[in-house]
Amino acid sequence: EVQLVESGGGLVQPGGSLRLSCAASGFTFSPFTMSWVRQAPGKGLEWVSYIGSGGTDIKYADSVKGRFTISRDNAKNSLFLQMNSLRDEDTAVYYCAREVAGYFFDYWGQGTLVTVSS
Amino acid sequence: EIVLTQSPATLSLSPGERATLSCRASQSVGSYLAWYQQKPGQAPRLLISGASNRATGIPARFSGSGSGTDFTLTISSLEPEDFAVYYCQQRSNWAFGGGTKVEIK
Repeated sequence: EVQLVESGGGLVQPGGSLRLSCAASGFTFSPFTMSWVRQAPGKGLEWVSYIGSGGTDIKYADSVKGRFTISRDNAKNSLFLQMNSLRDEDTAVYYCAREVAGYFFDYWGQGTLVTVSS
Repeated sequence: EIVLTQSPATLSLSPGERATLSCRASQSVGSYLAWYQQKPGQAPRLLISGASNRATGIPARFSGSGSGTDFTLTISSLEPEDFAVYYCQQRSNWAFGGGTKVEIK
């Protein structure tokens, strides 16, 4: 069974940092491209970042470019999101998602809540 | 940047009724469009990819159609578990539409 389990969320002050992790199991992780998608409270879905299977093809939404860094460790079946210079508007549930065919997400984690507040 | 606009924002229907949800793209996305269902407190679930291909395990009452800029998700007869928020998503910049909430009338 495919599972994606996020961790690392929590309460952080504006300007602070947080590192999210996503542990993958039940499938061969290395060939798949992955993304982070977030959802602010009561709002819709927003794609945040993408990483190719090898870890070098990387893209970011304009809203997080220069502040967030996506990475992966294929040996440990893990995806990461380093979030720096956090802002109030980064408050959201962050989901990791497995990508298929270059755009859609067939499996999602349960999400981890990041709250940016003083 | 391609923008997806979903309508209506809210659809109030009764169980057994037919639901028709629209997703319009600001430029052609070909058939590179997916639909997701999200219930409160849960992660989104993939329903449709490639505009019309049901994902594994998705009931036949869900169908997708369209290409280019205009897409439709149809639920032929609403079951109680279908009341949820539905999102469309396209390939260009992984962008999502704003969502349509299907609520019980």
